[in-house]
Amino acid sequence: DIQMTQSPSSLSASVGDRVTITCRASQSISNYLNWYQQKPGKAPKLLIYAASSLQSGVPSRFSGSGSGTDFTLTISSLQPEDFATYYCQQIYSTPRTFGQGTKVEIK
Amino acid sequence: EVQLLESGGGLVQPGGSLRLSCAASGFTFVSYAMTWVRQAPGKGLEWVSTISGSGDSTYYADSVKGRFTISRDNSKNTLYLQMNSLRAEDTAVYYCAKDGRATAADDPYNWFDPWGQGTLVTVSS
Repeated sequence: DIQMTQSPSSLSASVGDRVTITCRASQSISNYLNWYQQKPGKAPKLLIYAASSLQSGVPSRFSGSGSGTDFTLTISSLQPEDFATYYCQQIYSTPRTFGQGTKVEIK
Repeated sequence: EVQLLESGGGLVQPGGSLRLSCAASGFTFVSYAMTWVRQAPGKGLEWVSTISGSGDSTYYADSVKGRFTISRDNSKNTLYLQMNSLRAEDTAVYYCAKDGRATAADDPYNWFDPWGQGTLVTVSS
């Protein structure tokens, strides 16, 4: 199975900050990597697919990059509604594993 | 608008069974693979099972293989998860999710979108 490791597990940031979350795969997954946002008590929401493609309706302050084993989700200017937990997911092979999540909290 | 509505969750004793349903609307159901993902209380997301649009191909996490069965009724636009021999560690919110692209269930160029609101399964005596 492919293991997905996110870092950090949590972070504190202020509104307007630039935030970067990293996801590392245990083997190469090309660009078959998705990012989801989950707010408390809600279902996950797709942000980025295929490592860098922005899902329709998602604000342009979100961006994704990377290929192979190392990937990044960047929020260019953190907004109040962005405080949530973010998960990466590899879809290269079954089981379609998720990272453990990164919780973004208010500083 | 695509909508997914799960039902069937509840409290069940260890060793018991439960069947979850996910009613889909707003898209051509038969064209899309569907997936169940679960989230234990306070924990992260765990992929559970995927079924192809036709229902011919199914995939399972090792943690549920042999105990859970995914199926679909394309005439009713409904996805199911039959859960047998339930354990305490199966306690979780179960989400159904639609593939983003109408392609093969094991096509890596895909994503889960949207997700249902989830249904809580509690396994406890």
